Amino acid sequence: EAGVAQSPRYKIIEKRQSVAFWCNPISGHATLYWYQQILGQGPKLLIQFQNNGVVDDSQLPKDRFSAERLKGVDSTLKIQPAKLEDSAVYLCASSHYYNEQFFGPGTRLTVL
Amino acid sequence: AQSVTQPDIHITVSEGASLELRCNYSYGATPYLFWYVQSPGQGLQLLLKYFSGDTLVQGIKGFEAEFKRSQSSFNLRKPSVHWSDAAEYFCAVAPNNAGNMLTFGGGTRLMVKP
Repeated sequence: EAGVAQSPRYKIIEKRQSVAFWCNPISGHATLYWYQQILGQGPKLLIQFQNNGVVDDSQLPKDRFSAERLKGVDSTLKIQPAKLEDSAVYLCASSHYYNEQFFGPGTRLTVL
Repeated sequence: AQSVTQPDIHITVSEGASLELRCNYSYGATPYLFWYVQSPGQGLQLLLKYFSGDTLVQGIKGFEAEFKRSQSSFNLRKPSVHWSDAAEYFCAVAPNNAGNMLTFGGGTRLMVKP
């Protein structure tokens, strides 16, 4: 069974530019999560989807971050415009409803 | 709101020695508790989880953890560490009435000496 796929694996941009990350969850998993992991810290949940609806986005900086999950499968997380403090690894995870979360390898973002 | 504290940022042990990684949580009731491992460049892998029942939980790769309600702790242990165990370890908590919205601790980086 294929795991959670994420792309790109690495991205370097300058501040004020835009960037988008893509996630393809495990087939059949209804729940999808985006986490931000700043160097030296644990992952922090940004947004949780159940199918194509948002369950929790209380920690998503909505002035610059947006996420969507069209058709309840793939998801895209966008940052516009990026700030230096957005440098982090962005992790996507999926689960079969509220069971174990499976994590992708992450996208490492560097903002210069 | 729940929170997780991992007091040790770095730990170094010799190969073959025993290991204990500390985790303390703050939550009003008994939460769901998890330990994850993250190797360099990899996503997080679940080692074990506690929902209810027996307070000593067995996981993969020879790890175990013990839930102690009186101490609000969920420490991870392994009797004999292998060089391949070098990684970062994260403790996480989820409320037991709100799906599985995980709150992670800051992590403990384990280094293994030959």
